[in-house]
Amino acid sequence: RKEVEQDPGPFNVPEGATVAFNCTYSNSASQSFFWYRQDCRKEPKLLMSVYSSGNEDGRFTAQLNRASQYISLLIRDSKLSDSATYLCVVEGGTALIFGKGTTLSVSS
Amino acid sequence: DARVTQTPRHKVTEMGQEVTMRCQPILGHNTVFWYRQTMMQGLELLAYFRNRAPLDDSGMPKDRFSAEMPDATLATLKIQPSEPRDSAVYFCASGLVLGTHTQYFGPGTRLTVL
Repeated sequence: RKEVEQDPGPFNVPEGATVAFNCTYSNSASQSFFWYRQDCRKEPKLLMSVYSSGNEDGRFTAQLNRASQYISLLIRDSKLSDSATYLCVVEGGTALIFGKGTTLSVSS
Repeated sequence: DARVTQTPRHKVTEMGQEVTMRCQPILGHNTVFWYRQTMMQGLELLAYFRNRAPLDDSGMPKDRFSAEMPDATLATLKIQPSEPRDSAVYFCASGLVLGTHTQYFGPGTRLTVL
């Protein structure tokens, strides 16, 4: 099993749609989780941390399920500017482990 | 607005040449990471430092890659000799707390080895 696994997509959705991404991780001892966003030919940037209780930042909601070892990201009311690759990131002891990313394309 | 800087932004070289990539972490950050990103492999961790000391470079091909931090404001990644399979985007990232804190990425060096 890969350390961090994501569906690469692409997810093609119209503006205004709600879209959800899932990610699974293999290390049950991991304590910190994040979603990063990477635009085409740019560097990854932190989108949000993922807390056990779940957290929301505007149109974005992140959830953590420790028992099943998966993390989710929900985007409501998608905008054209949300088009990017979303990287699931899991703390792996002394370093962060990045998934390969899920590509989202929002069209008008 | 503090940022991680990397030079050069683009590098095209021929197989067998030495390549040196430089990174200036955000002032005050005590951890520095080097990653390589390709379409096939995604983001791979090559090496990381805490307080300028190398903590792990197990992700690096030892025979040709080397990473150093000559001082707190400069990290370098060298490839000698370079090979076409080294073509990738190399990112440097810095952070404050090893492992659990967020990392701030530089813009990357896009390397093409012919």
